[in-house]
Amino acid sequence: ETGVTQSPTHLIKTRGQQVTLRCSSQSGHNTVSWYQQALGQGPQFIFQYYREEENGRGNFPPRFSGLQFPNYSSELNVNALELDDSALYLCASSLGLAGFNEQFFGPGTRLTVL
Amino acid sequence: QQQVKQSPQSLIVQKGGISIINCAYENTAFDYFPWYQQFPGKGPALLIAIRPDVSEKKEGRFTISFNKSAKQFSLHIMDSQPGDSATYFCAAVPAGGYQKVTFGTGTKLQVIP
Repeated sequence: ETGVTQSPTHLIKTRGQQVTLRCSSQSGHNTVSWYQQALGQGPQFIFQYYREEENGRGNFPPRFSGLQFPNYSSELNVNALELDDSALYLCASSLGLAGFNEQFFGPGTRLTVL
Repeated sequence: QQQVKQSPQSLIVQKGGISIINCAYENTAFDYFPWYQQFPGKGPALLIAIRPDVSEKKEGRFTISFNKSAKQFSLHIMDSQPGDSATYFCAAVPAGGYQKVTFGTGTKLQVIP
């Protein structure tokens, strides 16, 4: 069984650029959630995808967008990068939507915006 | 908007001691309360979780105590070991059709030999 993988591991961008982060969910999992974790803080929910549809969104502006593909892998896109977007971006996969279904997290992508 | 408050921010415990981390929430719509453990360079991993219809859940050395009327819950790590040194997050999930997990701010635990 393959766990959740994310790419790239690290990324450096400049303000105003666009970035795409990728996540491969654990085998058989149809739900992917994305989180932003600022240094020294807990993860903040960005949005969740279930069977290729956005199913819930946190307090993030529209320049944060995503996709889920038929194989349930997912992308997080961030446009017009700001300095405050520097963070660890985590994706988590689970089987189904129920709140008590265990989410399995990937190791994250460290984004630095200069 | 901090919906789950966690304390302390950091904790140093002697090997064999008890580590206690406390959390409080405001939103009564939360109905699932997981705890996550995160090591440096890794994503969080589920440690133990509880539903509000029980007051305590124990798994090995880890125990969650839950006080629904006070809207507080805590994690107790018995016989703390150096391998337990990590950052711990409490979290809360609302009832409903999606998993919007709200995390606390984290507690960095160091267990010294």
